[in-house]
Amino acid sequence: GQSLEQPSEVTAVEGAIVQINCTYQTSGFYGLSWYQQHDGGAPTFLSYNALDGLEETGRFSSFLSRSDSYGYLLLQELQMKDSASYFCAVRSSASKIIFGSGTRLSIRP
Amino acid sequence: DGGITQSPKYLFRKEGQNVTLSCEQNLNHDAMYWYRQDPGQGLRLIYYSQIVNDFQKGDIAEGYSVSREKKESFPLTVTSAQKNPTAFYLCASSPDRGPGISQPQHFGDGTRLSIL
Repeated sequence: GQSLEQPSEVTAVEGAIVQINCTYQTSGFYGLSWYQQHDGGAPTFLSYNALDGLEETGRFSSFLSRSDSYGYLLLQELQMKDSASYFCAVRSSASKIIFGSGTRLSIRP
Repeated sequence: DGGITQSPKYLFRKEGQNVTLSCEQNLNHDAMYWYRQDPGQGLRLIYYSQIVNDFQKGDIAEGYSVSREKKESFPLTVTSAQKNPTAFYLCASSPDRGPGISQPQHFGDGTRLSIL
């Protein structure tokens, strides 16, 4: 079967750094994406890694290791508005994308 | 402004009734998708389409049907065969730029379907 594993919940303090991990097992691999979803809202795209290494976009960075079938999303200088669910997603074929179950990030002042 | 429009925002279904959820995009994207999200869960793929007049089943296609007669439109019908349809339904689209190239999915605001 195909699966993506990520922690169900993470708690962090405002201004701190948090890392959300994702391991995957899929029949094919084209790339790993990360999405943010606030309660009741639609997911929004954050980042994409097709090759090994770190991609940085402002306060958010994403890392991929294809040999380990592993990636992570790093959020720096946490703000209260970053409280949301974060999903990793693998593009397993030309157009098929599989999502993880999501990590609920709670931020304390 | 380009985007994806889903309607209605809320929908109620009676027992034995088929209902159709609308999804329209003006982003000129080739690929379109339907996902189901249950409370506290991730997104599960129902159907997807890479090109007009062609679509493929996702992981939970039973009880659902779709059509793709126009590039801009990808309606989803929840049939009476779907015994547990209460969920948040999300439509998405993405450009087809080939493997290895970022193809972010753009999502609509979703439709919440409930059973009367």
